[in-house]
Amino acid sequence: QSVLTQPPAVSAAPGQKVTIFCSGSTSNIGDNYVSWYQHVPGTAPKLLIYDNSKRPSGTPDRFSGSKSGTSATLGITGLQTGDEADYYCGTWDSSLSAVIFGGGTKLTVL
Amino acid sequence: QVQLQQWGAGLLKPSETLSLTCSVYGGSFRNYYWTWIRQPPGKGLEWIGEINHSVGTYYRPSLKSRATISMDTSKNQFSLKLTSVTAADTAMYYCARDDGSGKVDYWGQGILVTVSP
Repeated sequence: QSVLTQPPAVSAAPGQKVTIFCSGSTSNIGDNYVSWYQHVPGTAPKLLIYDNSKRPSGTPDRFSGSKSGTSATLGITGLQTGDEADYYCGTWDSSLSAVIFGGGTKLTVL
Repeated sequence: QVQLQQWGAGLLKPSETLSLTCSVYGGSFRNYYWTWIRQPPGKGLEWIGEINHSVGTYYRPSLKSRATISMDTSKNQFSLKLTSVTAADTAMYYCARDDGSGKVDYWGQGILVTVSP
């Protein structure tokens, strides 16, 4: 069981918008920056969002991140079939002194 | 551009020691936390631990007794040893870079390690 909680799966049609939530606690999300990762099976995970809402170069502006209290959100607009992947939230946990990840959310673009 | 290249044995028997090494090309080696992350089949990402030249090491509590992460600054390499492996240690293992805030920005290509009698 992961310290950060994500929905196991979400789905939406091409062109639509989807939101993925990540719930934590004061010792992790509440106290530290959140990152989001895109993981296509068979490849290495890719950093998608860092510092709650910043995009590395190469991440399209269709992807956005936000944080409020002990929860974080990843938003994806204009869904494309190429966005199908597993998405993970991650952060540092100050109590555990460990990097922690959510359980992952599988995105299906119908 | 930072690149991580990892290698090590991909097939182990129960009770053996897993040994993986990761070479880092580009960027600063001393200023970051060098990290091992794994993904068991059908499961999510699992942080194993990380090392920093100045701060030392951090480990996942459940693996702390079996895992050792070390670094060689002269070669820009870091390594993972995991003793007494079981089938539960079967996973894709990734080396990666953490900037110190939990932001993992560069990843190795991954190695599938299988533990089987």
